[in-house]
Amino acid sequence: KAGVTQTPRYLIKTRGQQVTLSCSPISGHRSVSWYQQTPGQGLQFLFEYFSETQRNKGNFPGRFSGRQFSNSRSEMNVSTLELGDSALYLCASSLVSGGSGEKLFFGSGTQLSVL
Amino acid sequence: EDQVTQSPEALRLQEGESSSLNCSYTVSGLRGLFWYRQDPGKGPEFLFTLYSAGEEKEKERLKATLTKKESFLHITAPKPEDSATYLCAVQSYSGGSNYKLTFGKGTLLTVNP
Repeated sequence: KAGVTQTPRYLIKTRGQQVTLSCSPISGHRSVSWYQQTPGQGLQFLFEYFSETQRNKGNFPGRFSGRQFSNSRSEMNVSTLELGDSALYLCASSLVSGGSGEKLFFGSGTQLSVL
Repeated sequence: EDQVTQSPEALRLQEGESSSLNCSYTVSGLRGLFWYRQDPGKGPEFLFTLYSAGEEKEKERLKATLTKKESFLHITAPKPEDSATYLCAVQSYSGGSNYKLTFGKGTLLTVNP
């Protein structure tokens, strides 16, 4: 059974640009969550999508947005990149929405560097 | 606001030297506490879920326990392959039918042969 796939693995952008990250969940999983991981702040929740609807959102500015498609694949977009956006962006999938206490399956992440 | 604090930040052990990692939390309405393991360059990998005080879970050399204010991850006779960052996360009610997951910053465990 294939795991969670995130693309691209590495990305280098400059300030002011925008970026789109992609996540393919485990087959059959309907929930996709996104997290930002930095050495100083650790893992911070961005948002969760379940059946194409945003179910929950963390405390990030509106520059961070996402969507989920009918096949459960999800994309995350960051507009007007800032240096502080440099981080490892992790996607996680689960069978049902996070409210069930279901464990998460994480991808290997996209390492974003903003210059 | 939910808070999760893990200690120590880093821990070095000799192979076979048992120890414990701590996760203390402040949350309104704990639904579950999760332990994950993260290897360099990879995403976190699920280890355990604990739901109520007094609960214990075991897997190979790892045992997780839960009280009303903290959780411990006990590592018995660790091996070098146990070296990783161990993350603790608490799940709590965030309104409506939604829940949120708050992670600690992790404990970097290094086991020397």
